[in-house]
Amino acid sequence: EAQVTQNPRYLITVTGKKLTVTCSQNMNHEYMSWYRQDPGLGLRQIYYSMNVEVTDKGDVPEGYKVSRKEKRNFPLILESPSPNQTSLYFCASSSWSDYGYTFGSGTRLTVV
Amino acid sequence: ELKVEQNPLFLSMQEGKNYTIYCNYSTTSDRLYWYRQDPGKSLESLFVLLSNGAVKQEGRLMASLDTKARLSTLHITAAVHDLSATYFCAVDISQGNLIFGKGTKLSVKP
Repeated sequence: EAQVTQNPRYLITVTGKKLTVTCSQNMNHEYMSWYRQDPGLGLRQIYYSMNVEVTDKGDVPEGYKVSRKEKRNFPLILESPSPNQTSLYFCASSSWSDYGYTFGSGTRLTVV
Repeated sequence: ELKVEQNPLFLSMQEGKNYTIYCNYSTTSDRLYWYRQDPGKSLESLFVLLSNGAVKQEGRLMASLDTKARLSTLHITAAVHDLSATYFCAVDISQGNLIFGKGTKLSVKP
């Protein structure tokens, strides 16, 4: 089944403790991206990747890192999480020929 | 700076009524998407609009795209309670760069 898999689905952590949210797709898509969703603000893009080793900042990249060492994986790294990074995060993947984006199930992160 | 503006942001409708959600965007693009999101869930793809004048319909929902006016509409016909959800439009800039509007929270009441 074609899918985007995010892990974990839920995470509660403390301020300053490094964490990684994983994202993996099995569709051989070139494009992958991360979004955060907050009430009243919609989905805001954090980072996106056009292919392996090619990434670019979205609208809200501060406090986040990404890497794209393999085509299927696009992890989101929070080196020193803060409470304002409490949010619902989505990973998505696509291909220009695919005419659509597939979204993961989401990761609800709480930083206390 | 690219802007994708949806309106209204909140919409309370009675069952059986018609209404339109608007999505304006500020840069050139010929790919626009509409998604539905239920509370606590991921995004469900509704429509992919790929060219000027594109119109697609699924059940009580119809979406259209005018690339010259940089405007897309999502029209709801004879609303039913099951359509209650948040609807997002998103503009595909290029190569994985997908920008969303803030969403329209639709509530359909009997």
